[in-house]
Amino acid sequence: AQRVTQPEKLLSVFKGAPVELKCNYSYSGSPELFWYVQYSRQRLQLLLRHISRESIKGFTADLNKGETSFHLKKPFAQEEDSAMYYCALIIQGAQKLVFGQGTRLTINP
Amino acid sequence: EAGVTQSPTHLIKTRGQQATLRCSPISGHTSVYWYQQALGLGLQFLLWYDEGEERNRGNFPPRFSGRQFPNYSSELNVNALELEDSALYLCASSLRNRAQETQYFGPGTRLLVL
Repeated sequence: AQRVTQPEKLLSVFKGAPVELKCNYSYSGSPELFWYVQYSRQRLQLLLRHISRESIKGFTADLNKGETSFHLKKPFAQEEDSAMYYCALIIQGAQKLVFGQGTRLTINP
Repeated sequence: EAGVTQSPTHLIKTRGQQATLRCSPISGHTSVYWYQQALGLGLQFLLWYDEGEERNRGNFPPRFSGRQFPNYSSELNVNALELEDSALYLCASSLRNRAQETQYFGPGTRLLVL
């Protein structure tokens, strides 16, 4: 079955510290993964996707097929990074996004 | 460029009633998706419409239905409302019906069933 697991519901780090939000997936096909972010009172928006291999707002994520992971990382957290982060997998052909439960990231000053 | 819009922002209904939620995709997008975000259940895929046709539906009962109009806007209808239908309903759109196309989300309609 297709599944996305984000093991941490809550994550709190200090400003300037490194951040890693964990995401593991289960999918029999070739995975295509995304990170979406929802800032307070804003809509869900795409942060990055693995096929783009880009860094957005200092965040990066590497697909590790051996470990079936797509962890989101940032070397130095900023207060404006506080938000809800969702990892998602798209099911090819069905076009549906399967989301993890989300991790609420809080950056402390 | 205007984003995905949804109406109404909030909707209050009682059990057994019907709810209609509306979505306008980004201009040029032909695919529209509906997701439910219920408390404790996370974001669940509901429906996918493309070029006016229902292409896929999630694990929801038939009382969840919808349609897509010629201008690509979409409606989600929920019949015989139950208390557990209370949730945030998100609409998303994408440029084409390919997995490579990013889904862009609207602000959602919060449905409360009393």
